[in-house]
Amino acid sequence: AIQLTQSPSSLSASVGDRVTITCRASQGISSALAWYQQKPGKAPKLLIYDASSLESGVPSRFSGSGSGTDFTLTISSLQPEDFATYYCQQFNSYPLFGGGTKVEIK
Amino acid sequence: EVQLVESGGGLVQPGRSLRLSCAASGFTFDDYAMHWVRQAPGKGLEWVSGISWNSGSIGYADSVKGRFTISRDNAKNSLYLQMNSLRAEDTALYYCAKDKGDSIAAPDFDYWGQGTLVTVSS
Repeated sequence: AIQLTQSPSSLSASVGDRVTITCRASQGISSALAWYQQKPGKAPKLLIYDASSLESGVPSRFSGSGSGTDFTLTISSLQPEDFATYYCQQFNSYPLFGGGTKVEIK
Repeated sequence: EVQLVESGGGLVQPGRSLRLSCAASGFTFDDYAMHWVRQAPGKGLEWVSGISWNSGSIGYADSVKGRFTISRDNAKNSLYLQMNSLRAEDTALYYCAKDKGDSIAAPDFDYWGQGTLVTVSS
């Protein structure tokens, strides 16, 4: 079965920083990858789908890239409301989420 | 405005059953696939089950296959999850999630409910 490994599992950053989160699949998954943001006590929110398509209403500071086995979520300039946990998700035989990356305030 | 409201969670003993419901509004329910995704306390997200727009395609995670049954009633704009033979490891917040498409192939979950908590304990 495919495994999704996110790195880092957590990071500390300051407002204005550029943040990059990586999601690596154990085998190729084309571009069928999405990214979600989850804040404490809230439901996840779709940010990116098809690896690089920005969901409607999501700020343009969020971007996604990659294909095959290596994918990246980038936040170009971290804002206070971006401190949250981020999950990647792929579909192969069934939907699978990565373990999450917690972005904390430095 | 898309709204997904889950209900039916609660405290249940191991081996017993529970039925979750999700009431949908704000979109054409029978145009989209729907899913259940769960999150154990303090843990990550786990897809549980999905159903296509016309119930023609259904999928389950291995962890619930044979115990859980997903269904939908398009006339009532509702999604259901029948959970039998519950185990302690099924304890989680269960989210109802809308798919961007009408099939369960390559799903993207674009709207989520607030979840209903299921606790399996004696």
